[in-house]
Amino acid sequence: AQSVTQPDIHITVSEGASLELRCNYSYGATPYLFWYVQSPGQGLQLLLKYFSGDTLVQGIKGFEAEFKRSQSSFNLRKPSVHWSDAAEYFCAVGAQPDYKLSFGAGTTVTVRA
Amino acid sequence: EAQVTQNPRYLITVTGKKLTVTCSQNMNHEYMSWYRQDPGLGLRQIYYSMNVEVTDKGDVPEGYKVSRKEKRNFPLILESPSPNQTSLYFCASSLRTGNEQFFGPGTRLTVL
Repeated sequence: AQSVTQPDIHITVSEGASLELRCNYSYGATPYLFWYVQSPGQGLQLLLKYFSGDTLVQGIKGFEAEFKRSQSSFNLRKPSVHWSDAAEYFCAVGAQPDYKLSFGAGTTVTVRA
Repeated sequence: EAQVTQNPRYLITVTGKKLTVTCSQNMNHEYMSWYRQDPGLGLRQIYYSMNVEVTDKGDVPEGYKVSRKEKRNFPLILESPSPNQTSLYFCASSLRTGNEQFFGPGTRLTVL
């Protein structure tokens, strides 16, 4: 069965420090991969996506993610977090034939001053 | 402005009272979907539609109905709501299946 795992439920990071959020998936086919961010009381906003090609993808707000097929991972990174990055982050995976998105349970990021 | 809108944003109702949550997109997207978000479970798909008059069940369809009579609208219907349907609901759309999805602002539903 297809599944998406975000191992970290909650991460606390200091402002200016680096951030890495983990995402692992279990899919039989080549996946399409997404990271979304949800700020408090808001809907989901797409940070970045991977369909094919270069395995290091750049997104909005200074985020990047790297697709590692051998590890079935798509980890999200940011070199220096800002207080406005405090939010919940969701990894999502889709694959052929229906491309139905499956979401991880989410990682909540708290930024301390 | 390109967007997905949902109404109402907040709703408190009682068990068994039929309700409809509307969803509309102005991007001429073919694909639309409904999700529910519950703590610790992420987003789970309820129903999706690949085009007008084409709908299919997602992972948690029990207790819900949908229709897609027009391309822009995809209402979610709870014929007889129960407390276990208390949740945060999101509508999403994409140009077609497999493309990135754009999400509405969410509807917080409480069923007493």
